[in-house]
Amino acid sequence: NAGVTQTPKFQVLKTGQSMTLQCAQDMNHNSMYWYRQDPGMGLRLIYYSASEGTTDKGEVPNGYNVSRLNKREFSLRLESAAPSQTSVYFCASPSSRSSTDTQYFGPGTRLTVL
Amino acid sequence: QKEVEQNSGPLSVPEGAIASLNCTYSDRGSQSFFWYRQYSGKSPELIMSIYSNGDKEDGRFTAQLNKASQYVSLLIRDSQPSDSATYLCAVNTSGGSYIPTFGRGTSLIVHP
Repeated sequence: NAGVTQTPKFQVLKTGQSMTLQCAQDMNHNSMYWYRQDPGMGLRLIYYSASEGTTDKGEVPNGYNVSRLNKREFSLRLESAAPSQTSVYFCASPSSRSSTDTQYFGPGTRLTVL
Repeated sequence: QKEVEQNSGPLSVPEGAIASLNCTYSDRGSQSFFWYRQYSGKSPELIMSIYSNGDKEDGRFTAQLNKASQYVSLLIRDSQPSDSATYLCAVNTSGGSYIPTFGRGTSLIVHP
């Protein structure tokens, strides 16, 4: 039982390049989330998926797209990377869709855009 | 806009002291409150959750919730250097989405 996994762990891109961050969970949770974390900014929600087949924008969705491939997998795509997207990206999955649910986080992807 | 505020710190305490971390929130409909610990270069991990007014104790950690004043705090007794980390406050608000709002975190340094 690996929990939430993310690939890659590190990535360096040039401005304008594209890439997809992968996330998978083996806890049979319905919801999955993508956050970015910047120094002094805390965790900001990019996109989330409340269930398989649905996705919704979070606080900072511009420049990103997502795909909920199946119940296990939720990917985040940068179509044309910009230096402002340099950040640490965390995928998370709450234990249940209720007011008491807690977030289980993946190990994160450190992305640098030059 | 739903906001969760924390003092960024750093909060520096000597080993063995009590560390007190505070968090305020803006949405009066908030129902669930969480404290996450994040070591440098690692992902956040849940250490405490609290849902009703009062204190909740778990080992050296005590979470305190006061909904009337809209604040939640975390006390760490007998602080250890291994407690040095950033502590994130998160609040699940009302309205059906249950998407947590995170504070920016407080950096805690416990020095020997």
